[in-house]
Order: sequence, then structure tokens, then C-alpha cells
Amino acid sequence: RKEVEQDPGPFNVPEGATVAFNCTYSNSASQSFFWYRQDCRKEPKLLMSVYSSGNEDGRFTAQLNRASQYISLLIRDSKLSDSATYLCDAGGTSYGKLTFGQGTILTVHP
Amino acid sequence: DADVTQTPRNRITKTGKRIMLECSQTKGHDRMYWYRQDPGLGLRLIYYSFDVKDINKGEISDGYSVSRQAQAKFSLSLESAIPNQTALYFCATSETGGTTEAFFGQGTRLTVV
Repeated sequence: RKEVEQDPGPFNVPEGATVAFNCTYSNSASQSFFWYRQDCRKEPKLLMSVYSSGNEDGRFTAQLNRASQYISLLIRDSKLSDSATYLCDAGGTSYGKLTFGQGTILTVHP
Repeated sequence: DADVTQTPRNRITKTGKRIMLECSQTKGHDRMYWYRQDPGLGLRLIYYSFDVKDINKGEISDGYSVSRQAQAKFSLSLESAIPNQTALYFCATSETGGTTEAFFGQGTRLTVV
């Protein structure tokens, strides 16, 4: 089993839709969690951190469920510009390495 | 200027040739990583380094080697390039402690013919 797993999609949604992605992780010692956005052929860039209490930034909400060992990303009122690949990093420990999921492809259509 | 810089950005090379991809950073981070990305396979870790004297293999290190010349520099070498090493390569850095975000270079698109 991979350390961090994501549904690769693709998710195809119309503008204005709400879409959610999950990312499961196997290391119960993981301490830090992040969502990254990657545009085609570009480098991943931090979208948002995921805190134990959840994190909201405009249309984006990230949550952590430690008991079930997954993080989620919710996008409300999808825009065409949200089309990208979304990567989770769910392996952060003080002694460990970055651990990414394989990414979820989102396409928002008119 | 980018905080994490990769050179070259694009490279076409022939099978059997040795090639080096370079990464330098101005973030002052101790941890550096090399990933390759192929369609549908996400980021796969090749090598990572927690400091100049600490280098570790990732999940797909065969056919690759690395050198950490300084805190700011981490190079990836393909000793004898083969076509299935054609991919997009990313260097990344993170702070010591491992619980902070990663910063990526802009990527090197490598084609082995």
C-alpha cells in the first residue's frame, strides 16, 4: 500500500459546482499536511496547509481526520481557473521525508 | 529570481549519455529532494538529502545518482540515460523538521532519444 493515496480522477465538473477530494495516509505519526496545486507542466505550489481544526481560504476548505487518517479539500463555486492537478502531502514528520499522493486531476468546464 | 532554480529547463539527450541536472536554492533549507513526474504516476521520489552529509535513496533510485555539493546545491545524474528516463524532473526543498511546506523548482523536461 502506498503511504499516501489519492483518487487520480479525473473529476470533470461544471462551473459553479462543489467538488471534494480525499487523500488517505498510512503513517499515523504524520504531523503536517498540505494541499498543492499543479498547473500543466508547471511546478507544484502550495495551495493551503491543513490544520487539525480545519482551514478555510475563500472557496477552499481543507480538513483533517486523524482517526480515519485522511485529509480532504473542498472547492465551492468552481471556476474554470481551478482546473489543475491537486496534490496532497501527508507524510510530514520531524524525521521523515515529504510524501505526496499521485495527484487528482480536476477539469472545470463551462 | 526563483528561490529554487533548476538547470537546464529542457534537455534532449541520446541513449547512453551521462547527464547532470542541477538544483540550487536560496531558501537556506537543509532538506532537498529530487522527484520525477510521469503522466498518471504523480511525483516519485528519486533521492533526498537532509544535509550535506546525509543522502538517502527514494523509491526509484536505480539508474540515478546524486551529489550534495553544498547546502544550497543538489545535483542529479543519469550515468547512462535510457529512454524510459524521459520525464519531468523536479527539485524541492523544505526546512529542517520536516513539517513545513515544500518549495519546488520550475522543473527540467528531459527527453532521452
